[in-house]
Amino acid sequence: QVQLQESGPGLVKPSQTLSLTCAVSGDSISSDGYYWSWIRQYPGKGLEWIGYIYYSGSTYYKPSLASRVTMSLDTSKNQFSLNLSSVTAADTAVYYCVRGGLLPPAPINWFDPWGQGTLVTVSS
Amino acid sequence: EIVLTQSPATLSLSPGERATLSCRASQSVTSYLAWYQQKPGQAPRLLIYDTSTRATGVPARFSGSGSGTDFTLTISSLEPEDFAVYYCQQRTNSLSFGGGTKVEIK
Repeated sequence: QVQLQESGPGLVKPSQTLSLTCAVSGDSISSDGYYWSWIRQYPGKGLEWIGYIYYSGSTYYKPSLASRVTMSLDTSKNQFSLNLSSVTAADTAVYYCVRGGLLPPAPINWFDPWGQGTLVTVSS
Repeated sequence: EIVLTQSPATLSLSPGERATLSCRASQSVTSYLAWYQQKPGQAPRLLIYDTSTRATGVPARFSGSGSGTDFTLTISSLEPEDFAVYYCQQRTNSLSFGGGTKVEIK
């Protein structure tokens, strides 16, 4: 059974870069059956999709965040990463890494499963 | 971006009762709509996708329906573990989530 685990600093200063990693177990991030994504949840509970990265390394980011977002794969460690630059307090949220399906029997292009999430606070 | 509006914001019901949750899209999402369940302190969990397909392990008391702009999640008879927050999500035009409906114990 696949499991995802986020890690990274819980506190980031304004204007700096938020960097998170998602370790994947029980599946290979190089598998052509899946893609890997980041979603955040604000303190008020709203959910926002950030972007995704395919097994090939191709990426697609939410347009409003694209200028600040970079995602990458590390196949040697079976993990993927998120960098979000020039952060402000508005980027304070719980960040989830999630898997998206590309081939049956996975739900095609839906998010399942999710990591447990990690809270990132932007504050000086 | 497609805006998803969920109603009601809070639904107060007793165990055994039927729950009906609504998700309305600002433009058609065809059938590309999913529902997630989130319990306190946990990540969301996929319940229903492509409007009406239950994800693996989801009990049959959960069902989804709708098309275009109006969708419904129905829980036929609430179990104690069903009290949670439910979110809808579309993937027709970029990706977006609704604001959630909290199902609480009356």
